[in-house]
Parts: sequence; C-alpha cells; structure tokens
Amino acid sequence: GAVVSQHPSRVICKSGTSVKIECRSLDFQATTMFWYRQFPKQSLMLMATSNEGSKATYEQGVEKDKFLINHASLTLSTLTVTSAHPEDSSFYICSARKGDYGYTFGSGTRLTVV
Amino acid sequence: GQNIDQPTEMTATEGAIVQINCTYQTSGFNGLFWYQQHAGEAPTFLSYNVLDGLEEKGRFSSFLSRSKGYSYLLLKELQMKDSASYLCAFQDSNYQLIWGAGTKLIIKP
Repeated sequence: GAVVSQHPSRVICKSGTSVKIECRSLDFQATTMFWYRQFPKQSLMLMATSNEGSKATYEQGVEKDKFLINHASLTLSTLTVTSAHPEDSSFYICSARKGDYGYTFGSGTRLTVV
Repeated sequence: GQNIDQPTEMTATEGAIVQINCTYQTSGFNGLFWYQQHAGEAPTFLSYNVLDGLEEKGRFSSFLSRSKGYSYLLLKELQMKDSASYLCAFQDSNYQLIWGAGTKLIIKP
C-alpha cells in the first residue's frame, strides 16, 4: 500500500501565530512531496514541491518565507504557515509520489485563522 | 501551453449512468488521473490511464484518447454516496500533475 498520514486534521489559530502541518509517508519512502491548498468550491492549487534533502520549489505567487517547507527525511515533510492571517484559512493537503505515477494524498488539514 | 477542462457541475439520477468528460492540451503527457473528492475531504484515487482505451474497475470506468486529448469517467448504477466532486488531472513531461477544476456531481433520488 501507500499511506500518507497528515495532521492535524483541523486547527484554529490566532492571527499572527504560526502553524505546522506534518505529512508522513507510512509504508514507503517519498522522495517528493507536494503541498496543495484548496479554497471552498475550487480545485487543488499546487503550492510547492518538496524534495528530500533539498529546498522546496514554490509555485508562482506562493511566498516561500510565509509557507516554510521542510523535507528532512524520506518519510516526513512539514509545512509551516508563519504569521498566519485570516486569508490563509484554507484546506491544506499533502501528496506523496510512490514511483513514477503513484500519488497518495494525506487526509488534509482545515486551517482557520481567527 | 497546458490546459485542462471539465464541466463544472452535472446532475444524474440514482441508479443511472453518467459520463464526466475531461479534455486537455499539453506537449508532454505521462498519464491521466481521476480522483473523487467528497466535501471537506482529501481526494481519493479512482483511476489512471496512460494508454488509449477503456479501463474498467467495478462501477467506474475511465477512457483515454491521447490523440484527441480526451478522457471520460463513466459511473454506472449511481448511488447517493457518489455525490462528490470528480477531478481529472494529467501528468506532464516533468511528472507534475495539472489539475482540472473538478466536476461536482449531484445525484438525485
């Protein structure tokens, strides 16, 4: 199988604080992980691609200093939303690739910034 | 350039059949995926087509025509639980997924 565990599933934080989201591949090594953001009734928007042991590649328009990605091991990638604001409230989903075409998604994190 | 298109919303009746179309344009292609996403949940994998033809998996089937840049997802014997968004995505030459906006499928009794 290919299981990706993501947590927390829901988080509410105060404006100005930071939130860390973890994504773990449980039964395989993920050299590449993808971070998506999804606003209500919209499709997935790729934020960044993280590769183990190297810097993440951010999509155009995504602030790398605000959305810090760390992929320190083959089974763990983290996304930290720094100085969160209400407009950062969204559904964040990670995805890991197993082999050339196997993509598995984490269960998602609903972030609400108040 | 690259683009992918699918209908925004479709309605079907419980027990019937529905076909969700997806068209795409890309210079590099490494397969097409269909995912199901229920509201508030992450997408779940339905199918992957890399060669032309029909792939059948239970009540769901997926078709691909690479020459036409066209795919469809066929859902048979519709159940109320099939109400969800269906996302198509192709994999480009760099193996990056390019996502459609999703088709919201509404099933009526």
